[in-house]
Amino acid sequence: SSELTQDPTVSVALGQTVKITCQGDSLAFYHTSWLQRKPGQAPLLVMSGNNLRPSGIPDRFSGSRSGNTASLTITGAQAGDEADYYCCSRDINTNAVLFGGGTKLTVL
Amino acid sequence: EVHLVESGGGLVQPGRSLTVSCAASGFTFDDYAMHWVRHAPGKGLKWVAGISWENGNVGYADSVKGRFAISRDNAKNTLFLEMKSLRADDTALYYCVKDITSVWNGHSEQGVIFDSWGQGTLVTVSS
Repeated sequence: SSELTQDPTVSVALGQTVKITCQGDSLAFYHTSWLQRKPGQAPLLVMSGNNLRPSGIPDRFSGSRSGNTASLTITGAQAGDEADYYCCSRDINTNAVLFGGGTKLTVL
Repeated sequence: EVHLVESGGGLVQPGRSLTVSCAASGFTFDDYAMHWVRHAPGKGLKWVAGISWENGNVGYADSVKGRFAISRDNAKNTLFLEMKSLRADDTALYYCVKDITSVWNGHSEQGVIFDSWGQGTLVTVSS
C-alpha cells in the first residue's frame, strides 16, 4: 500500500516562516489535508483540498502541492502553533485513508 | 455546532471484545460518512474504519480487517465500532471523525477531509 512520509521534527524561530512537507505517490492524484494536534486536544483541520482554510484558521497557514509532495506553510509562526501536524490523503491503490507519520513543530 | 462524543472505552483483556460508540449532534448525521481514527501512545494517527451515509458501504485498515466492524444508527445519530479479538497493539485513543462527503471512499481530487473530531475514548488492551 502507499505511504505518506513526513519529517519527524521541524523547528522555527518565533515570527519566522516554516514549511512542513508530506511526500507520497498518492499526492500526485489527491490533494492533502492537514491536521494540527496539540497535547490533550482533539486534532483540528487547518488546511484542506487546494489551499482551502476552514473557518477560524488564520491566514498565516497556507497549503501547496508540487508533484507528489504537499506542503503546509506557516508564515510568522507563533508560540501557539507549536503542535504535531499530520498530512492526510487517500491510498490510490486501496482507497483507504492514509496519514503521514506526523511532524512535531517546535517554535523557538 | 458539531459535537461528537465517544464512549465505551476501558480496560479489556487480550482476545476479548469491546464496542465503542459516538453520539453525534449539530449536523444532519445521515448526510455524511463517518470514520474511526486511533492514536496509540507514542505513535501517529491511524485510520481504522470508515462508513458511508448508509450502512452498506464500509472499509477497514488491513490491521483490523476481520476483527472490527463499523456501523451506524442514523435514527439515533450514533456511530459504533465493535472490536473483537483485541490485541495489545490495539491500545489507543479512538476518535470519532466526521467526513465532509457522504461516501467514505470517494474519488474526489480533494482527497480526504475530516472536518470534525471528537475528544476520543481510550481503549487499553492488557492482562
